[in-house]
Amino acid sequence: DGGITQSPKYLFRKEGQNVTLSCEQNLNHDAMYWYRQDPGQGLRLIYYSQIVNDFQKGDIAEGYSVSREKKESFPLTVTSAQKNPTAFYLCASSTFGSSPLPYTEAFFGQGTRLTVV
Amino acid sequence: KQEVTQIPAALSVPEGENLVLNCSFTDSAIYNLQWFRQDPGKGLTSLLLIQSSQREQTSGRLNASLDKSSGRSTLYIAASQPGDSATYLCAVGANTGTASKLTFGTGTRLQVTL
Repeated sequence: DGGITQSPKYLFRKEGQNVTLSCEQNLNHDAMYWYRQDPGQGLRLIYYSQIVNDFQKGDIAEGYSVSREKKESFPLTVTSAQKNPTAFYLCASSTFGSSPLPYTEAFFGQGTRLTVV
Repeated sequence: KQEVTQIPAALSVPEGENLVLNCSFTDSAIYNLQWFRQDPGKGLTSLLLIQSSQREQTSGRLNASLDKSSGRSTLYIAASQPGDSATYLCAVGANTGTASKLTFGTGTRLQVTL
């Protein structure tokens, strides 16, 4: 089955710890993204990557880091510098096509719920 | 800065009704617009994608329209069913080469009752 796999589904972090959320896709998509979802707010973009070994900050990158060593994988590290990390984290990837018009379409994983204890 | 608003925030309808969900955005220079469905505690499922040059897209009982000049999109659901109960999210995309950065609304929570 083609898709995006996020793990773990639930993650608990102690104060001062770094934790890493995994995102793997087998859709052969070039672009990958991390979004954060908080109750009552829309999803907000943390980081995105258009190609291996390259990534850009989104709107709320402070306290997070990413890497893109393989096309299939885009892990997100929530560092101790992120003061309010409790949220639902969603990974996405997107196609890029050019026929008949240039287009992209995003697909999402099932999310990781991170809680600070 | 792009802002996306979805109205209403919540909606309850009896089974079989046709309904319209609204999405508005402040910057008309968009690359595309995507409608998603989210079930509680789950990820997002893509429903429809409309490119900036298109006016509408249809998939089964769903029809989405786009009016870029007025900054509006609607999602029409025909003959609603209890299985349609979910949160519906609208997102507008800004082109960044081969990627599309999405700005999301806060969603419309739909409940279809028997």
